[in-house]
Amino acid sequence: AQTVTQSQPEMSVQEAETVTLSCTYDTSESDYYLFWYKQPPSRQMILVIRQEAYKQQNATENRFSVNFQKAAKSFSLKISDSQLGDAAMYFCAYRRPRKDNAGNMLTFGGGTRLMVKP
Amino acid sequence: GAGVSQSPSNKVTEKGKDVELRCDPISGHTALYWYRQSLGQGLEFLIYFQGNSAPDKSGLPSDRFSAERTGGSVSTLTIQRTQQEDSAVYLCASSLSTSGGQETQYFGPGTRLLVL
Repeated sequence: AQTVTQSQPEMSVQEAETVTLSCTYDTSESDYYLFWYKQPPSRQMILVIRQEAYKQQNATENRFSVNFQKAAKSFSLKISDSQLGDAAMYFCAYRRPRKDNAGNMLTFGGGTRLMVKP
Repeated sequence: GAGVSQSPSNKVTEKGKDVELRCDPISGHTALYWYRQSLGQGLEFLIYFQGNSAPDKSGLPSDRFSAERTGGSVSTLTIQRTQQEDSAVYLCASSLSTSGGQETQYFGPGTRLLVL
């Protein structure tokens, strides 16, 4: 079974600084997808960034980028120029490619609470 | 609508009562997922619907939990004889189904269930 581990329950960053959230996962699959979701107090999970395992290039979305190390099974999220609105829970998630009707669910890590100090 | 909607937003019930939680997915999304988010267990998968195929129920924690999806759109998650350990946020997500299997899941705001 796949597992996803986020080793940092809480992180803190000064506004305008850069912070990196860690995520490791365990899988025997060679092809899969990785995601970072943000969950503010409103509870709604918002997709931040996604990475296809077959792509060597790290995904980037504006101030958000990932460091995907396939051999190490590591998928960290870097937030540059942190803003107050970035404060939230961040979840790393894994998904296998769709195979018939099985294995399409997301497997989540335990989450990292990010606090942004003004 | 523009996004996934869920109702009610919050539900308080007494132990032993049945509850129904509703999810309205993004129009055109054929895949629908239910997840549960609780303090002790984190985020866990419950059930998955894909088009007209039989659902993947592998995540349902007990036979008190069931879900249906009518007309390939709206889904209802039913919890019978609720227990205090059922207290959690129930999240629904939907996605397109592409041949490459690359679809991203989009989440609703969740229903917070409190069982007294």
